Amino acid sequence: AQSVTQPDIHITVSEGASLELRCNYSYGATPYLFWYVQSPGQGLQLLLKYFSGDTLVQGIKGFEAEFKRSQSSFNLRKPSVHWSDAAEYFCAVGPNNDMRFGAGTRLTVKP
Amino acid sequence: EAGVAQSPRYKIIEKRQSVAFWCNPISGHATLYWYQQILGQGPKLLIQFQNNGVVDDSQLPKDRFSAERLKGVDSTLKIQPAKLEDSAVYLCASSLGTYGGEQYFGPGTRLTVT
Repeated sequence: AQSVTQPDIHITVSEGASLELRCNYSYGATPYLFWYVQSPGQGLQLLLKYFSGDTLVQGIKGFEAEFKRSQSSFNLRKPSVHWSDAAEYFCAVGPNNDMRFGAGTRLTVKP
Repeated sequence: EAGVAQSPRYKIIEKRQSVAFWCNPISGHATLYWYQQILGQGPKLLIQFQNNGVVDDSQLPKDRFSAERLKGVDSTLKIQPAKLEDSAVYLCASSLGTYGGEQYFGPGTRLTVT
């Protein structure tokens, strides 16, 4: 069965600094990969997804992620973090009928 | 476009009591999901419906949890009797398709079992 590992439980970055959140997955075929963000008391919002094609995908709010099959990774990046990016970030591997989420990475943004 | 609606937002019950959660998906979305999110963990899929049929309920603790989607639109998830370890946020999501595509999540119901 597929699984997702997010090695970093908590990351703190300064506002304006770059960000990279790590995600490693295990899946037998070409995976459907997702990054979601969850603000306190809110549901999950999709940032971006990868199904096939270009391995660098652009998402909302200035986020991007790169699919690296050789490393089984799908890391999320943002060049300049804003205070409003503070939230919990979840990586997930699909398909929808068997979606598995990582444990999440909590992002704190320092002023 | 209205999003996924869930109610109640918060619920506190004592162990061995029963509780029900309601979800109304985005109009036209055939697929509906219920997830359990325990504090500090990612969401775990409990059950998936395609219209009013169950696609997957392999992770649903069927001795105490039940779910239905009678008319292929809104859905209810019930726990009876509740245990302390059922304390979690219960998220409902919907999507157009079963296999790929984006899932849209509701705000969740936070359940506390005392």
